[in-house]
Amino acid sequence: QVQLVESGGGVVQPGRSLRLSCAASGFTFSTYAIHWVRQTPGTGLEWVAVISSDGINKYYADSVKGRFTMSRDNSENTLYLQLSSLRLEDTAIYYCAREIAPHRHFDYWGQGTLVTVSS
Amino acid sequence: EIVMTQSPATLSVSPGERATLSCRASQSVSSKLAWYQEKPGQAPRLLIYDASTRATGIPARFSGSGSGTEFTLTISSLQSEDFAVYYCHQYNNWYTFGQGTKLEIK
Repeated sequence: QVQLVESGGGVVQPGRSLRLSCAASGFTFSTYAIHWVRQTPGTGLEWVAVISSDGINKYYADSVKGRFTMSRDNSENTLYLQLSSLRLEDTAIYYCAREIAPHRHFDYWGQGTLVTVSS
Repeated sequence: EIVMTQSPATLSVSPGERATLSCRASQSVSSKLAWYQEKPGQAPRLLIYDASTRATGIPARFSGSGSGTEFTLTISSLQSEDFAVYYCHQYNNWYTFGQGTKLEIK
């Protein structure tokens, strides 16, 4: 069955970096665009970024543009999100989610990994 | 950015009764609207996409309706496993989410 498993979260100081991973299984990973979405108690669900199936096209929310970088390794069925220059407001649960074309909604999500930015 | 507003924030309903959840978009999203169910410690689960299409394996008691700016998720006869938080999500113009409706047992 389709599975997305995030990892790499933790506690990090403001200004530091962290890399999240999303391991995929149960489907042909290289044929799907994948998104990152984050969730906080205060702001709810916020879309973060998307990467195309071939890894060429990437788009980011304004709130993370220039600080976060998304990449993927289709040979390893793994997605990455490099978080840099972290801010307190980046504290959230980070989910990866699979996009279904051509509809563009998200059909499967991982369980999330918690990132806490704190001094 | 399209703002999605869900109402009510909390809905108290008895098992076996009908629940109606609303989602309003700040501008038209056509029918590009999905609904998700979220339970503590679990991945969000897709229920409805394109406003009214049930996802694979979703029971018929879940139904979605609406287009443009007004959408509704109806659960016809609540089961114990349906008490959770529900989010709407527009994917017509980038991606934004509602703040959620918590469906609790009355």
